[in-house]
Order: sequence, then structure tokens, then C-alpha cells
Amino acid sequence: QKEVEQNSGPLSVPEGAIASLNCTYSDRGSQSFFWYRQYSGKSPELIMFIYSNGDKEDGRFTAQLNKASQYVSLLIRDSQPSDSATYLCAVNNAGNMLTFGGGTRLMVKP
Amino acid sequence: DTAVSQTPKYLVTQMGNDKSIKCEQNLGHDTMYWYKQDSKKFLKIMFSYNNKELIINETVPNRFSPKSPDKAHLNLHINSLELGDSAVYFCASSQDGGNMNTEAFFGQGTRLTVV
Repeated sequence: QKEVEQNSGPLSVPEGAIASLNCTYSDRGSQSFFWYRQYSGKSPELIMFIYSNGDKEDGRFTAQLNKASQYVSLLIRDSQPSDSATYLCAVNNAGNMLTFGGGTRLMVKP
Repeated sequence: DTAVSQTPKYLVTQMGNDKSIKCEQNLGHDTMYWYKQDSKKFLKIMFSYNNKELIINETVPNRFSPKSPDKAHLNLHINSLELGDSAVYFCASSQDGGNMNTEAFFGQGTRLTVV
């Protein structure tokens, strides 16, 4: 069973702080990794993807990938209340299908 | 323009009924998917389909069947609905670009309630 694991949270951070979201995956053959954000009652939307070891930055978001440790993370700098949502880690396995983790609920308090 | 659209948005039906959810994408993507999101928000792949092959998650009951009249449409048929089928069903599509950058675009979801 190919799995993607996330802490369900909620992760609570004050406004302006750095939120750190973590994800581990079991399939060593996984090629690409995605972070989606899902607001309550809405559909998931892509924040960013990463497929090389190291860091990838996009605005306030930084994705980090460590294939040796089978670990991917998302950092959100200067967290805003509007960042409050569930963050879904997804891994692209063979067969071109995304396997999602259970999501981490983030709460940013003003 | 809505990239991935699915209808209906809400569906309430009785146990034992047969129902369909429609999905259309105007992105020109090669691959479409159906996901189920349960009450615990866990998003689980049900089907992956392109014009070459259908990949089925083996845990999906055979009461569920995808139907694709063309590349832009993937409908979901559910027979003999059960209480446990209540969930939000998401359609998605992606460009079949191999293992890189296969971002999936999601429809707005269909909340199915079986009573």
C-alpha cells in the first residue's frame, strides 16, 4: 500500500509566524510531490510542486524535499489568517495518479 | 470559464437508487480522475482514465463505474447506492506528461448524501 502521511492537526500559529507542514511517503519510486490547499467546502487548489531534492520557493511558500528520508514539507512565511485551510500533500506514483495524505488543518490566529 | 465542471453540486437520494455525476473539462487534458473525500477529509483516488487505459483503485466497489463518451468528459455512475457512499466526489484532470508536473485541476465537487 503506497501511503502518504500527514499530521491532521490542527496546527495553530499566530499571524506573521512561520507555519511548517510536514509529509512523509512510503513509495521510494515517487517522482513528484505537490502541496494543495483546500478551504472548507471548496475544492483543492495547487500551491506548488517539487521534484528535485532541496528547496523551492514561491512567494511566501517554500517546499522542501528530501528523497532519502522520504520527506516533503511546506513552509509558509508571514502567515495570514487567510492561509487558514487544510493543506494536502500529494505524491505522483506510477500510473500518473496522485495519492493524497489526509491533510493538515492550519489555523492562523490574528 | 470553468476549467473542470461537475454536476450536480448537491445530490440527495435514497438507498438502492442508481445515480450519475457528470464531469467535463475544457483544458484539453488527456487524463481525468474521480476522487472521493469522506467525512474525515481524506481524499482517495477512485479512477484514473485517459484514452488509453482505465486504472481502477482496487478498493472501489464495482457498483461504481466511470463512463467516458470523449476525452473531455468522464461521468461517474453509481448503482445500488449505500449509506456509506455519502461523501464529496471530486472530478479532476491533468495533462498526461509522465511523472513530472502532473498538476491536477479539480472540479467544485458533488456532495452526495444517501438517506
